[in-house]
Amino acid sequence: DTAVSQTPKYLVTQMGNDKSIKCEQNLGHDTMYWYKQDSKKFLKIMFSYNNKELIINETVPNRFSPKSPDKAHLNLHINSLELGDSAVYFCASSQDVPGRRSETQYFGPGTRLLVL
Amino acid sequence: RKEVEQDPGPFNVPEGATVAFNCTYSNSASQSFFWYRQDCRKEPKLLMSVYSSGNEDGRFTAQLNRASQYISLLIRDSKLSDSATYLCVVSTGFQKLVFGTGTRLLVSP
Repeated sequence: DTAVSQTPKYLVTQMGNDKSIKCEQNLGHDTMYWYKQDSKKFLKIMFSYNNKELIINETVPNRFSPKSPDKAHLNLHINSLELGDSAVYFCASSQDVPGRRSETQYFGPGTRLLVL
Repeated sequence: RKEVEQDPGPFNVPEGATVAFNCTYSNSASQSFFWYRQDCRKEPKLLMSVYSSGNEDGRFTAQLNRASQYISLLIRDSKLSDSATYLCVVSTGFQKLVFGTGTRLLVSP
């Protein structure tokens, strides 16, 4: 009965490769997110989708491309991986409530990416 | 200046102690405030929302001072299981959360 799940849990790859991380939520939420947590544990939002539409796109290299096939899934594809991409990537979801600005976000377990 | 600033700690306290964490935010337009908890190698989880009137949830009390742009979290009667990183989180717009770097708490027997 996992709420927000991500695959893979660990990803070790070489510089220059292309990789994807998948995220699924079974909470019926409208909004999904990708966050990056770097080695200093700083957690920063990358993207947000609401009902398959991109609503937040922070300053992220265009090697990162999110894709939302439906509102329960938000995948992250990364091209030409660089050493600096090594981090933990968290997917999250939340339910919009009209008139309320921010609701609780539920995070997936994270994907630990190591680029060699 | 970071949007959300926290003392990184670690705070080392014995079981049963009371410990307080502080956080400041730079954007006066911020509307929603939260404390999240992150255990080692785990995902962040909501601990509590923070309201202007202050709010309490068991041993945890959160306060917000909008004039000073300051948020606090008080933990009473610390338990070993409270050891974690506590993230101060501010929302400046719809669904966009800005996280502090976290304050690490270690509770020892």
